Amino acid sequence: NAGVTQTPKFRILKIGQSMTLQCAQDMNHNYMYWYRQDPGMGLKLIYYSVGAGITDKGEVPNGYNVSRSTTEDFPLRLELAAPSQTSVYFCASSYYGHYEQYFGPGTRLTVT
Amino acid sequence: RKEVEQDPGPFNVPEGATVAFNCTYSNSASQSFFWYRQDCRKEPKLLMSVYSSGNEDGRFTAQLNRASQYISLLIRDSKLSDSATYLCVVNFNNAGNMLTFGGGTRLMVKP
Repeated sequence: NAGVTQTPKFRILKIGQSMTLQCAQDMNHNYMYWYRQDPGMGLKLIYYSVGAGITDKGEVPNGYNVSRSTTEDFPLRLELAAPSQTSVYFCASSYYGHYEQYFGPGTRLTVT
Repeated sequence: RKEVEQDPGPFNVPEGATVAFNCTYSNSASQSFFWYRQDCRKEPKLLMSVYSSGNEDGRFTAQLNRASQYISLLIRDSKLSDSATYLCVVNFNNAGNMLTFGGGTRLMVKP
């Protein structure tokens, strides 16, 4: 099993550009999550999904969009990138909401 | 009050020392508790689940005190490789009954 995979590992965007962060899991987990982590800070939940076709906002959803067309994939879309979106983005998955989460290796995004 | 509260540290300890972290949580109905470990610039990884009766995994011992709403992590015989940030994680009965991560406690083990 590959677990949770994320691409790209690193990306530099100019202000106003858009991009999609990819996330996939091969553990047949129902729940998937997107977090961001700023330097020296804790994880903040951006969006989550409890199953294919179902998504919901987390703590900091503004400036992001998600979709969940399959159980395996949960891409995160950044529209009109801003410097405040410079962060490390982690995707995670779990079988149910109160089960342990498994994280991908992260995407380091810089917006200049 | 934060939902999951941890002392951010850093805790600076010599090799071989015993160190303990506490974490308090706000929801008395929580049912799942975990400790995660996060190395610098890496993803969080599950260290251990925390059970009501307490549990031990090698040098690591986790305890749950439901009455006082805190969990603890004890590390014995600290190694240099234990240097990391330790995240306390608790579920809450919000939408999706999901996990909430604490801000983490940083541990630095010195030679």
